[in-house]
Amino acid sequence: QVQLQESGPGLVKPSETLSLNCTVSGGSFSGDSHYWSWVRQSAGKGLEWIGRVYASGITSYHPSLRGRVTISLDSSRTHFSLRLTSVTAADTAIYFCTRSTFVHAIDVWGPGNAVTVSS
Amino acid sequence: SALTQPASVSGSPGQSITISCSGTSSVDGSYKLVSWYQQHSGKAPKLMISEGSRRSSGVSDRFSGSSSGDTASLTISGLQAEDEAEYFCCSYMDVSTLVFGGGTKVTVL
Repeated sequence: QVQLQESGPGLVKPSETLSLNCTVSGGSFSGDSHYWSWVRQSAGKGLEWIGRVYASGITSYHPSLRGRVTISLDSSRTHFSLRLTSVTAADTAIYFCTRSTFVHAIDVWGPGNAVTVSS
Repeated sequence: SALTQPASVSGSPGQSITISCSGTSSVDGSYKLVSWYQQHSGKAPKLMISEGSRRSSGVSDRFSGSSSGDTASLTISGLQAEDEAEYFCCSYMDVSTLVFGGGTKVTVL
């Protein structure tokens, strides 16, 4: 059974870069039956999809974050990462790494990594 | 949110409630790539329904999904105390992105 675990800092300064990793256990990145995404949730607010990466390395991002966000697979194929540049207080949120099926259902979620943007 | 959900819905134990999600898109017209998630406070969301009406493995048959026109719906039958949570719909949009609804808090009276 695939499990996901986020790791990264809990505090990032404004204008700096947020970097998070997601470790995948119990499964692999191979094949196109799934893809890997990041989703965030601001305190008291809803969910926001950030972007995805396929096993092939092809990516797609939310239009509102395009230009600031990069999602990539590690060459070891055991984890994938999120990089968000020029962060502001609006990027303060819980960040979830996820796995989606080919019909775009998110069937596996990590427990979440809370990130605060503050000086 | 591009998808609109009611902020809250409540019901008594044993009753049925329905949560609507308007603004969903159709990829090929035959079904909608809509999914529903349950989130208890402080936890990660859990997939309940995919492809509009397909229950995820292990999900109670008290949960059902449907769609009509531009609106998807999640119905919870035989409401139980454990169903008290926030529910989010999600749809795959034609611009290759996933969009979530704003969430609906379900209260069991």
